[in-house]
Amino acid sequence: DAGITQSPRHKVTETGTPVTLRCHQTENHRYMYWYRQDPGHGLRLIHYSYGVKDTDKGEVSDGYSVSRSKTEDFLLTLESATSSQTSVYFCAITPGNPRGEQYFGPGTRLTVT
Amino acid sequence: AQKVTQAQTEISVVEKEDVTLDCVYETRDTTYYLFWYKQPPSGELVFLIRRNSFDEQNEISGRYSWNFQKSTSSFNFTITASQVVDSAVYFCALSGVYGGATNKLIFGTGTLLAVQP
Repeated sequence: DAGITQSPRHKVTETGTPVTLRCHQTENHRYMYWYRQDPGHGLRLIHYSYGVKDTDKGEVSDGYSVSRSKTEDFLLTLESATSSQTSVYFCAITPGNPRGEQYFGPGTRLTVT
Repeated sequence: AQKVTQAQTEISVVEKEDVTLDCVYETRDTTYYLFWYKQPPSGELVFLIRRNSFDEQNEISGRYSWNFQKSTSSFNFTITASQVVDSAVYFCALSGVYGGATNKLIFGTGTLLAVQP
């Protein structure tokens, strides 16, 4: 158990509304990541963080922003949700070596109607 | 460009059969890491193995074994004497440097393994 929780676990929202997903970890890991999982695409990196206030874009960052004001929390915001952002969102951490294995949270299933 | 290909979309076997899941990767990095993850029907992602590019020794863990061959850019996963509990989607992933020293995982599209009783 890597001590990662995600909230909410399920959410249904309407197109155009803002949505924030939270990832919380209890072990002070420096590196945190947000991925989305879609059929036929595996998992794709949205944004990642390498420390408090240090974040950068991944390969599918359009329409998403992130913030990390505390080591333990990494927030993913959809400023104006679209149906194409319907997906399962996973948060991950890497303990220690940044090129080590990543451990994932339980996921958030987001549906945009 | 970095890429992971899992050509087998779905595999169905009967319990106790051996099954091999294929993974082919592309990278220009000389140092890289390869991973396998399991995603059971409950949805969580479970880390199985990490292998660095300098270690081509095969790995065995119980009924699981991994065959890494740099010459063919493959990192295949074999389950011996499969069980119903092995039913899951299996993802192969490749590490890539994406900005600074952080690690980005490039995932294949996954192979759905169904083990029938």
